[in-house]
Amino acid sequence: DVKVTQSSRYLVKRTGEKVFLECVQDMDHENMFWYRQDPGLGLRLIYFSYDVKMKEKGDIPEGYSVSREKKERFSLILESASTNQTSMYLCASRGGSGILYEQYFGPGTRLTVT
Amino acid sequence: DQQVKQNSPSLSVQEGRISILNCDYTNSMFDYFLWYKKYPAEGPTFLISISSIKDKNEDGRFTVFLNKSAKHLSLHIVPSQPGDSAVYFCAADASGNTPLVFGKGTRLSVIA
Repeated sequence: DVKVTQSSRYLVKRTGEKVFLECVQDMDHENMFWYRQDPGLGLRLIYFSYDVKMKEKGDIPEGYSVSREKKERFSLILESASTNQTSMYLCASRGGSGILYEQYFGPGTRLTVT
Repeated sequence: DQQVKQNSPSLSVQEGRISILNCDYTNSMFDYFLWYKKYPAEGPTFLISISSIKDKNEDGRFTVFLNKSAKHLSLHIVPSQPGDSAVYFCAADASGNTPLVFGKGTRLSVIA
């Protein structure tokens, strides 16, 4: 059974704190992604990675950074959390692109910044 | 500039009737399309997909139709059930290892 796990389901942090969101996949997938979901805005891509130590900016990278030191792990970092980063954060992984490759999502982390 | 558009933010359907969710795209390089379903406080789960070489794909109660000339696809759910109430995301894939492009989603409510 394929698995994408995220370190926390719910998180409450204060403005200015450094926040780490961890994601682990057990499918040996090359590609990993971080999204945030907000009402009316859908799924917005923050960062993605096609290989270890490689990262690419998505549509809304400002205020975020990522780390991929191992193939199975992709971390999202909020250097200094702000209230407008309160959101549902979703990690995903995929083995490749095209019809043969399904994208799997983790359960999400609901982050509240106060 | 949205490449994948779901123009209906919400849809309400009676149990047992057909639900039709629509999706339009602008990029002719997309060659594979997917639908995901998302319940509150959970991650999206894959529902059904279609390749651009087909115009229909069916899986149980779910059917996806693709009209390439109109750059339009639709998801039909027949019969609709209360458990189908969720947000549905349309996504498109272009060959070449680029990320999936998602629409903003349609919230489906199936009323018993």
